[in-house]
Amino acid sequence: DQQVKQNSPSLSVQEGRISILNCDYTNSMFDYFLWYKKYPAEGPTFLISISSIKDKNEDGRFTVFLNKSAKHLSLHIVPSQPGDSAVYFCAATEFYNQGGKLIFGQGTELSVKP
Amino acid sequence: DAGVIQSPRHEVTEMGQEVTLRCKPISGHNSLFWYRQTMMRGLELLIYFNNNVPIDDSGMPEDRFSAKMPNASFSTLKIQPSEPRDSAVYFCASSSLGSPLHFGNGTRLTVT
Repeated sequence: DQQVKQNSPSLSVQEGRISILNCDYTNSMFDYFLWYKKYPAEGPTFLISISSIKDKNEDGRFTVFLNKSAKHLSLHIVPSQPGDSAVYFCAATEFYNQGGKLIFGQGTELSVKP
Repeated sequence: DAGVIQSPRHEVTEMGQEVTLRCKPISGHNSLFWYRQTMMRGLELLIYFNNNVPIDDSGMPEDRFSAKMPNASFSTLKIQPSEPRDSAVYFCASSSLGSPLHFGNGTRLTVT
C-alpha cells in the first residue's frame, strides 16, 4: 500500500518557466511533509518542508503548497533552471518531532531544458 | 562534518552470497534509517533505529534481511542469502529530533 504517491514519473520544462511537481497521500495522520532532491550517484538532499498547520511555505524559487482536504501537495519551482534537473521525492511523516519515519513517494524526474 | 558515510559504494555478488552494507551516521544524530530505492517503489523504508534501538522493521522484505546498530556511530544491513531481486540502491540516513534526514550516497548492490 503506497501511502505517498507521485503519479508523474517524469516532467520536462523549459528554462525560465514554472515546474510543478505533484504528490498525493492517503494517511490523514501525516502532520509534516518534505521534498527531497536527488542527483545521480548521490543521496537525496532536503529541499523544503511544510507543517500540516500551514498551506504554503516559500524558500526562494521553491514553494510548497499543501491542500489537506484533497490530501495533496505540490512543489513549484519558479523560474526553473537547468541545474534543477534531478529526481524529486515527496515525503510525509506523522511523528516528525519524535523521530518518526519518513514515507517517500516514487519520485518525479525533472528535466529543465535550456 | 563528513555527512553520512556508506560503504561500499558498489557491491557485485553472486546469488546465495552474504552481503553486508555499512553506515556511519552523522555524529550527534540519534535516529538512523535504512532505505532501498527501486524504480517501481521509489524510496522504501526498510528499518529505523532511535538511540540504537530498532523501532520499526516492518519494511524488511524477508528474514534474509537483518540490521544491527551496535553503537551510535555504526550500523549494518545484512542480506543472507542474497537474490537477484535484491539488486537496488540502498541508502542509509540519519537525523536528530525535528530535523530533516541526511542521506549517504548509497550502496549500489547487484546480485547476479
